[in-house]
Amino acid sequence: GENVEQHPSTLSVQEGDSAVIKCTYSDSASNYFPWYKQELGKRPQLIIDIRSNVGEKKDQRIAVTLNKTAKHFSLHITETQPEDSAVYFCAATESKSTFGDGTTLTVKP
Amino acid sequence: GAGVSQSPRYKVAKRGQDVALRCDPISGHVSLFWYQQALGQGPEFLTYFQNEAQLDKSGLPSDRFFAERPEGSVSTLKIQRTQQEDSAVYLCASSPSTRRGNEQFFGPGTRLTVL
Repeated sequence: GENVEQHPSTLSVQEGDSAVIKCTYSDSASNYFPWYKQELGKRPQLIIDIRSNVGEKKDQRIAVTLNKTAKHFSLHITETQPEDSAVYFCAATESKSTFGDGTTLTVKP
Repeated sequence: GAGVSQSPRYKVAKRGQDVALRCDPISGHVSLFWYQQALGQGPEFLTYFQNEAQLDKSGLPSDRFFAERPEGSVSTLKIQRTQQEDSAVYLCASSPSTRRGNEQFFGPGTRLTVL
């Protein structure tokens, strides 16, 4: 089955800096790669996603890149703000989603 | 419109009790997923329905776990003879499409604590 590894597990940055979270996957059949933000006690919220026929996608301060050959994808957050602090999960999806173990991002004001 | 809802939000069970967790997907959503999220970890797939058909139940940890979606809308996840290791948040998600790989909308989850 699919295996997703996510790094780092924790990330602390100063407000205004950039944050990068990386994920690798194993199943070449995966074709959809969402990123979720989960605040404490809340449901996962989709923040950006990318499909396997696209290499990069950007939405304001958030961007995702996908290297299908190497089976890795990354989340980039620029100009971080304290409200970006949360746990971020990547997932690789064919019919069902396999999630990484999460990255706890702390943005210090 | 209303999002995915789950009930109860919190459930405390004594070891050995049976529990039933309910998911109301977004109206018209064809696909429905159940995930188990342990503390500090990512959601783990349990089972997947397309309408009333259970297409994948490979993630159910044991035969004590059973899920159904008899009319292709509301789904129930039942856990029999609960054990302490069943303590987790159970998340339901729905998707409007049967197409492989599509956005899933999550419910708020049910936090199950087994004493």
